[in-house]
Amino acid sequence: EEQLVESGGDLVQPGGSLRLSCVASGFTFSSHWMNWVRQAPGKGLEWVGNINEDGSVQYYADSVKGRFTISRDNAKNSLHLQMNSLRTEDTALYYCARVKSGDGGSVGDFWGQGTLVTVSS
Amino acid sequence: DIQMTQSPSTLSASVGDRVTITCRASQTINNWLAWYQQKPGKAPKLLISKASSLESGVPSRFSGSGSGTEFTLTISSLQPDDFATYYCQQHTFGQGTKLEMK
Repeated sequence: EEQLVESGGDLVQPGGSLRLSCVASGFTFSSHWMNWVRQAPGKGLEWVGNINEDGSVQYYADSVKGRFTISRDNAKNSLHLQMNSLRTEDTALYYCARVKSGDGGSVGDFWGQGTLVTVSS
Repeated sequence: DIQMTQSPSTLSASVGDRVTITCRASQTINNWLAWYQQKPGKAPKLLISKASSLESGVPSRFSGSGSGTEFTLTISSLQPDDFATYYCQQHTFGQGTKLEMK
């Protein structure tokens, strides 16, 4: 059974840092681009960024560029999101999602259940 | 970044209705457009990719069309399970369309 399980969400003060993780199972993790997508409470979906199969290429939304870094460890089937200089507007449920092969790099065909990040003083 | 604009933001409809949601891109994206369904408290579910390719297991009452900058998601006959919020996506997402029961 395919699974994506996110962890690491927490309450953090503005200006702080947090590292999210997503562990994959049930599919060949190293063969897929991976996405991070977030959803602020009561709001819509926002694509955060993605990473290619071997971790050598990443793309980011303008809203997080320079503050967030996506990485992966294919040996451990894990995806990470390092978040620095956090702002209150980064408060959201953060999803990792597997990117559908052959669909241009951002289409998520399988999603985790998300981990909640709250940025507040 | 390419901006994605959905309309309407809210759509009231009844079981059995045919409904259409529109998504416009700020520049041409060929057919690189996906549609998702999201229910409260759940992760999004991919319905359609490449503008018109139905995902496995998605009912055939869902269809997608369009290319370039204008795209549509059509539900041919609404079922009770279809009341949800729908999003289009190229890289960025549209703002969502909440489909509610009339």
